[in-house]
Amino acid sequence: ETGVTQTPRHLVMGMTNKKSLKCEQHLGHNAMYWYKQSAKKPLELMFVYSLEERVENNSVPSRFSPECPNSSHLFLHLHTLQPEDSALYLCASSLSRGGRAGANVLTFGAGSRLTVL
Amino acid sequence: AQKITQTQPGMFVQEKEAVTLDCTYDTSDPSYGLFWYKQPSSGEMIFLIYQGSYDQQNATEGRYSLNFQKARKSANLVISASQLGDSAMYFCAMREGRISGGGADGLTFGKGTHLIIQP
Repeated sequence: ETGVTQTPRHLVMGMTNKKSLKCEQHLGHNAMYWYKQSAKKPLELMFVYSLEERVENNSVPSRFSPECPNSSHLFLHLHTLQPEDSALYLCASSLSRGGRAGANVLTFGAGSRLTVL
Repeated sequence: AQKITQTQPGMFVQEKEAVTLDCTYDTSDPSYGLFWYKQPSSGEMIFLIYQGSYDQQNATEGRYSLNFQKARKSANLVISASQLGDSAMYFCAMREGRISGGGADGLTFGKGTHLIIQP
């Protein structure tokens, strides 16, 4: 399997549940990202991992907890979420160095559509 | 202030016509990169084209070209000979700084333009 794969594609959870989103890439990339896409808002960068170390955390509430066990896998652990957390969560990967003039194109997965009841 | 502005929330275009999607950006960094992505209803963001701030020529990739006007901080996407399959959301995005060294920096996105191609 190639590209960036996200599971599950759809998730419905209650506010007291604990669930996890999974992302897997087979592109040989060494940087991975979580983005949140809400209706009528620009994509919001949540977390960045480079070489398995978290290098960016954009003031995301602690009810979102990322985990990057290796350069091919990225998780987003969810607990005690709020209805406003309902959104499409997109995972992406890239090379952290090199590329044409630093282009380092992000390759995205198809997203996990989360609904919090 | 928004770093990426896309002023067209939605556009209807006749099939086979050319389409221009607007994007203006705001940065004081001399090194930056500009990206366009397409998002069909399936949700996946598909990379279309890239323009570096130091690139002398406008980027082209098949039917896609980028009209880069640096002084105006404008990076419009042009799609020639539009097709029904071009119907999707289109996002302009920017990465600032550290162009020469790369780096695992996320992209900043605009709100997008919903393009609908009519037969």
